[in-house]
Amino acid sequence: AQTVTQSQPEMSVQEAETVTLSCTYDTSESDYYLFWYKQPPSRQMILVIRQEAYKQQNATENRFSVNFQKAAKSFSLKISDSQLGDAAMYFCAYRSSLTGANSKLTFGKGITLSVRP
Amino acid sequence: EAGVAQSPRYKIIEKRQSVAFWCNPISGHATLYWYQQILGQGPKLLIQFQNNGVVDDSQLPKDRFSAERLKGVDSTLKIQPAKLEDSAVYLCASSLAALAGGPYEQYFGPGTRLTVT
Repeated sequence: AQTVTQSQPEMSVQEAETVTLSCTYDTSESDYYLFWYKQPPSRQMILVIRQEAYKQQNATENRFSVNFQKAAKSFSLKISDSQLGDAAMYFCAYRSSLTGANSKLTFGKGITLSVRP
Repeated sequence: EAGVAQSPRYKIIEKRQSVAFWCNPISGHATLYWYQQILGQGPKLLIQFQNNGVVDDSQLPKDRFSAERLKGVDSTLKIQPAKLEDSAVYLCASSLAALAGGPYEQYFGPGTRLTVT
């Protein structure tokens, strides 16, 4: 079974600074997808960024980018120019590339990010 | 495009009572997921539907939890009787088609926060 580990329960960043959130995972599969989701106090899970394991290039979405190290099974999220609206819980998630019952997301425990004005 | 709808947003019940949650997925989404998110943890899959059929319910406590997706659209998750440890946020998500390949994004609803006293 796949596991996702987020070992930092909380992090804080100054507004306009850069912060990196860590995530490691364990799997025996060679092809899969990794995600970072944001969950604000409203509880709505919002997809931040996605990485396909077969792609060597790290995904980027505006101020958000990832550092995907497949051999190390590491998947960190970098938030540049942090904004007050970035404050939320962030979850790292894994999804197999297989179909059907394997399409469920396996989440880490999450990390609470606070942004200081 | 309307998002995933869930109701109610909050529910407080006493242990041994029953409760039901409703989810309406995004139009055209064949796959529907129910996740349980206990405070301080990441969401965990309870059950996955493809149209009106169950794909995965291996983590559903079937002695007290039940779910259905009649006509392959709306879904209802029921707990009877509730226990204190069922206090959690129940998230519904939908995606286009988990039976086909591809990183189909899961779109989440706002969740229902259940408190069992």
